[in-house]
Amino acid sequence: KAGVTQTPRYLIKTRGQQVTLSCSPISGHRSVSWYQQTPGQGLQFLFEYFSETQRNKGNFPGRFSGRQFSNSRSEMNVSTLELGDSALYLCASSSSDRGYTEAFFGQGTRLTVV
Amino acid sequence: DQQVKQNSPSLSVQEGRISILNCDYTNSMFDYFLWYKKYPAEGPTFLISISSIKDKNEDGRFTVFLNKSAKHLSLHIVPSQPGDSAVYFCAASDDKIIFGKGTRLHILP
Repeated sequence: KAGVTQTPRYLIKTRGQQVTLSCSPISGHRSVSWYQQTPGQGLQFLFEYFSETQRNKGNFPGRFSGRQFSNSRSEMNVSTLELGDSALYLCASSSSDRGYTEAFFGQGTRLTVV
Repeated sequence: DQQVKQNSPSLSVQEGRISILNCDYTNSMFDYFLWYKKYPAEGPTFLISISSIKDKNEDGRFTVFLNKSAKHLSLHIVPSQPGDSAVYFCAASDDKIIFGKGTRLHILP
């Protein structure tokens, strides 16, 4: 069974640009969550999608958005990039249909904003 | 407002000894707790979990203890091995998973 796949693995963008990251969950998993990891801040929850609907949202500005497709694949978009958006963005999938049990993570996308 | 706290940024333990990683939480609605392990340049991998109705769960060298009254959980690794050197994240969930900031564990030879 294939794991969670995130593309691209690395990305360099300029301030003010926008970026789209992609996540393909484990087959059969309908929940996809996104996290931002920065040094000293751990994993901060961005949002969660379940069956194409945003089910939970963290405390990030509206520049961060996402969506989920009918095949459960998810994309995350960040508009008007800022230097502080440089981070490792992790996607996690879960089979749970009521909240969470274990979530399985992809390897992440390392975004650098210059 | 940090709902899951790992107050020790790092911990060094001699190989073969017990490693104890601690975690505190503030939200009494959390009903499931998890530990993840993370190596550099990789995503976190699930290690062990515990439901709020239990106070202990064991899996090989890893044991998680939950003290609900103190809102505290801990991960014990016995015996510690060099491959255990990594960052360990404590996490708690109600309808989403909230992570702590992590503890970097160094296993010394």
